[in-house]
Amino acid sequence: EAGVAQSPRYKIIEKRQSVAFWCNPISGHATLYWYQQILGQGPKLLIQFQNNGVVDDSQLPKDRFSAERLKGVDSTLKIQPAKLEDSAVYLCASSLDPALQGDENTEAFFGQGTRLTVV
Amino acid sequence: GQNIDQPTEMTATEGAIVQINCTYQTSGFNGLFWYQQHAGEAPTFLSYNVLDGLEEKGRFSSFLSRSKGYSYLLLKELQMKDSASYLCAVRDSNYQLIWGAGTKLIIKP
Repeated sequence: EAGVAQSPRYKIIEKRQSVAFWCNPISGHATLYWYQQILGQGPKLLIQFQNNGVVDDSQLPKDRFSAERLKGVDSTLKIQPAKLEDSAVYLCASSLDPALQGDENTEAFFGQGTRLTVV
Repeated sequence: GQNIDQPTEMTATEGAIVQINCTYQTSGFNGLFWYQQHAGEAPTFLSYNVLDGLEEKGRFSSFLSRSKGYSYLLLKELQMKDSASYLCAVRDSNYQLIWGAGTKLIIKP
């Protein structure tokens, strides 16, 4: 079974520039998550999709961050304009729908992440 | 608010046993997850508890007490490769995952 694919793996940009990250979840996974992880901290949820609808984007800085999941499969996360404080690893994860699946096999699977450095 | 607490860092000796605790306060409960994250890598799933009690999986075991809002991850026969961060996450009543900050485990020879 193919895992969660993310690209690029690394990105260095100057502040005020824009950047986009791409994620392809595991086939059949209805739930897709974008997390921001700063070194030494746990993942911080930016946005959660259920198919192509947004479930939770309460912690997404909407003045600069945007995300979409057209057709309920691939997703892109964009930052425009970037700030120094956006330097972090951006992780995409996917899972089966826990509300439908019950208890089992609903863990989230993570991609390798994109390490963003804003200079 | 929702909160998950874990120790920031722990140190143990190769071959020994270590217990990493996690306490949580969330809006409802629909399961607790433990993940392992090596430096520079993505988190990988270790265990899942939804009912009280102990779940054993090889050298790793995870315990849950829902009434106490408490879980622990037990690692036996520690190996150097177990040096990593261990993340506790709780799924709340809205099926949202709430994450702890992680516990950095350092294994010494």
